Amino acid sequence: QQQVKQSPQSLIVQKGGIPIINCAYENTAFDYFPWYQQFPGKGPALLIAIRPDVSEKKEGRFTISFNKSAKQFSLHIMDSQPGDSATYFCAAEDTGTASKLTFGTGTRLQVTL
Amino acid sequence: NAGVTQTPKFQVLKTGQSMTLQCAQDMNHEYMSWYRQDPGMGLRLIHYSVGAGITDQGEVPNGYNVSRSTTEDFPLRLLSAAPSQTSVYFCASTGGLGGYTFGSGTRLTVV
Repeated sequence: QQQVKQSPQSLIVQKGGIPIINCAYENTAFDYFPWYQQFPGKGPALLIAIRPDVSEKKEGRFTISFNKSAKQFSLHIMDSQPGDSATYFCAAEDTGTASKLTFGTGTRLQVTL
Repeated sequence: NAGVTQTPKFQVLKTGQSMTLQCAQDMNHEYMSWYRQDPGMGLRLIHYSVGAGITDQGEVPNGYNVSRSTTEDFPLRLLSAAPSQTSVYFCASTGGLGGYTFGSGTRLTVV
């Protein structure tokens, strides 16, 4: 049972483009939605996170858009750079219970010159 | 500040062998967890702990044991390794305010 569905599986954009990664969740108890960035050979690192009381959050070139009624959220990377090439995971957590992150399946992003 | 430290980084086991993956954190986090990462499947929770002496099963616990005798350490034991356990294993911890810190992973191959 996949509680967090992520798409696309892979994405190639040119430098300066705006890749968009989408996630959908099922459990309405989820109340914390982080995105993780993972470079090859490294562990995932927290990139940006949002709680469902806001519809958008920006940190630098990274923006999360959140649609509570549709149970969907997405990551936008503005002015993408080759250094953004990595695998991105969305996740969700019900912080009222024992701390357990549920991850999407990941999106491999390649930013070309 | 080391964060979350995992050892070893690489390991090759023969089917049926047992081993322990080590995980230690120095951030005084109560919550620790183990995930496995497989291509196309994201990260799946194996076991987790909400504090010393308390552990529970995640999504894919079969074939693995954990214990939490101290706040700092959360080892993962493979009882009898199988090829299906070939994966990259990540340990993570959180202080409960959102945002996990992950270790750098252990790449395990079972032949």
